[in-house]
Order: sequence, then C-alpha cells, then structure tokens
Amino acid sequence: DIQMTQSPSSLSASVGDRVTITCRASQSISSYLNWYQQKPGKAPKLLIYAASSLQSGVPSRFSGSGSGTDFTLTISSLQPEDFATYYCQQSYSIRAFGQGTKLEIK
Amino acid sequence: QLQLQESGSGLVKPSQTLSLTCAVSGGSISSGGYSWSWIRQPPGKGLEWIGYIYHSGSTYYNPSLKSRVTISVDRSKNQFSLKLSSVTAADTAVYYCARDRGDPTPYFDYWGQGTLVTVSS
Repeated sequence: DIQMTQSPSSLSASVGDRVTITCRASQSISSYLNWYQQKPGKAPKLLIYAASSLQSGVPSRFSGSGSGTDFTLTISSLQPEDFATYYCQQSYSIRAFGQGTKLEIK
Repeated sequence: QLQLQESGSGLVKPSQTLSLTCAVSGGSISSGGYSWSWIRQPPGKGLEWIGYIYHSGSTYYNPSLKSRVTISVDRSKNQFSLKLSSVTAADTAVYYCARDRGDPTPYFDYWGQGTLVTVSS
C-alpha cells in the first residue's frame, strides 16, 4: 500500500503570508497527486489535480508542484477564506489520503 | 451540474451492517471514464478512502476494510451503494460519496454533502 505523509500537521499563518504544505509518498506515484481543501462541516473541495493542474474556478494563488515522491501545495498570499484543512491524495494505486494539514490564523 | 446525495441509516448497532446509498443526478452513472467512490471521516479525524466501483461494475477496496465492504451499482436508479458489515464504534464517521474522474489522472471532482453514521447500541 502507498502511504501519504503530509507536513506539517498544523500551521499558523497570517493573511498575506506565503504558505507551503508538503506531501510525501512512500513510493513513486509519478504525477498522480491531488490536493483538496476542507472547511468544517463541509465536503472536501478539489484544488489541484495531476500534481500541478489548477481545478476550474480555484484562485490562481493556489499552485502545486512535484512528481515522484515529493509534492508541495503553495498558497502565494493567504486570504481569510483559505484557513481550512488541506489533504493530499494519491491515485496511482487505488486511492489514499494524507493525514491532513490544518491551517490556522496566527 | 452533477449532484450526489447520500442516504441511509444514521444509527447502526454494533456487529450489524451499515448500508448507504448515493443518488446521482445531472449525469449518468454509466458514463465511461468515471468510477464512484465511498470515503469516510471519523469525527475530528482525516479522510479514509473505502472503495470504488467502475462504470463497468469492477470494484476495488481499501485493503484494511476489504473483508467487510461491498460496493454495488443500480443503473436503473442511477445510484450506487455501500455495505459495511460487522461494524464497531470505530466505524462511526461521516460517509461521503464522490465521483472519481479518470482523465488525465484520477481525482475526486464531485462530492456528496456527507452523512453521519453512528455505531452505538
């Protein structure tokens, strides 16, 4: 089974900050990596698919990069609505999620 | 606009079988190129993929749950279902259904709102 590990597990930041979240796969997954945002009481929302493709309607301050085993999600300038929990997910071999990164207001 | 809606029992007794259905509207569940997943989230915890069914009917399950899970599809009703047997309190979670789009690489593009299932006597 492919294990997904995110870091950090939680993060405090301020509006306007640049934030990076990392996701590491236990084996190479090529570019089969997606990122989701989840707010309390809501279903996850797709942000990035295929490691670096921005889902339609998602603000351009979100970007993804990486391939193989190491991936990053970057938010270039945090907005108030970006405080949420972020999950990576691999689709190379069945499916699996990272444990999540909670982004909180500093 | 595709919509998914979960339904089923919100309270299940330990050792019994959890049963949920996901009704799909705004598109056909038989369309090629998609699979249909169940995902769950225990209270205060992260997301766990349970399994999916392809439009062809093939199924794939999380190895940790495989012995207890069955996912099936009812094309006449445009819906798919989850059965999880021998439940315990650890199966208490919000259960989501989602569409898994396969092109260019698979990702979950549409989700249901989620339904809370509590396992308790």
